[in-house]
Amino acid sequence: DQQVKQNSPSLSVQEGRISILNCDYTNSMFDYFLWYKKYPAEGPTFLISISSIKDKNEDGRFTVFLNKSAKHLSLHIVPSQPGDSAVYFCAATPSNTGKLIFGQGTTLQVKP
Amino acid sequence: EAEVAQSPRYKITEKSQAVAFWCDPISGHATLYWYRQILGQGPELLVQFQDESVVDDSQLPKDRFSAERLKGVDSTLKIQPAELGDSAMYLCASSGRLAGAGTGELFFGEGSRLTVL
Repeated sequence: DQQVKQNSPSLSVQEGRISILNCDYTNSMFDYFLWYKKYPAEGPTFLISISSIKDKNEDGRFTVFLNKSAKHLSLHIVPSQPGDSAVYFCAATPSNTGKLIFGQGTTLQVKP
Repeated sequence: EAEVAQSPRYKITEKSQAVAFWCDPISGHATLYWYRQILGQGPELLVQFQDESVVDDSQLPKDRFSAERLKGVDSTLKIQPAELGDSAMYLCASSGRLAGAGTGELFFGEGSRLTVL
């Protein structure tokens, strides 16, 4: 039972354009969402997060949008840079459990 | 910058052998996690510790996997006997607070890649 789903295994965009990565979830108890970025042979690193009481959180080139009614969140990267090429994981957690449930990941390739 | 340390980075073993992974979390982090990531999939939680106590090990295959964090600091994950399907990246993470409380982010180590032949 995949509670967090990233239905696009890969995404390719041109440098300078917008990258949009999508994530869907099924568990209504999730109230905190995070995005992690992973380079090959390294552990995931935290990118940005959003609480369920918000619908948008922005940090520099990265913005996460949350649509609770649709149980959907997205990560926007503007402008995309070649160094953004990595695997991006969406993760969610029910309140105060400390347990993150990850999606399958989306591999982003930003072409120069 | 403080990091989560893991060893070994790479391990190749034959099936039915025993294997162990070690993790040293960021100093002061009470919560420690072991995740397994199979190629092409997202990390899957195996076990979560709060200090020295197991909080969640519902996804840990207890017939062959064991984990301990005796003094509430570093931790060891053991597999005995290893099977072909155990080939994966084993990731350790720590946090200073529960995910969902404040920033709630996890800090991951570089992982231990296991290949079972």
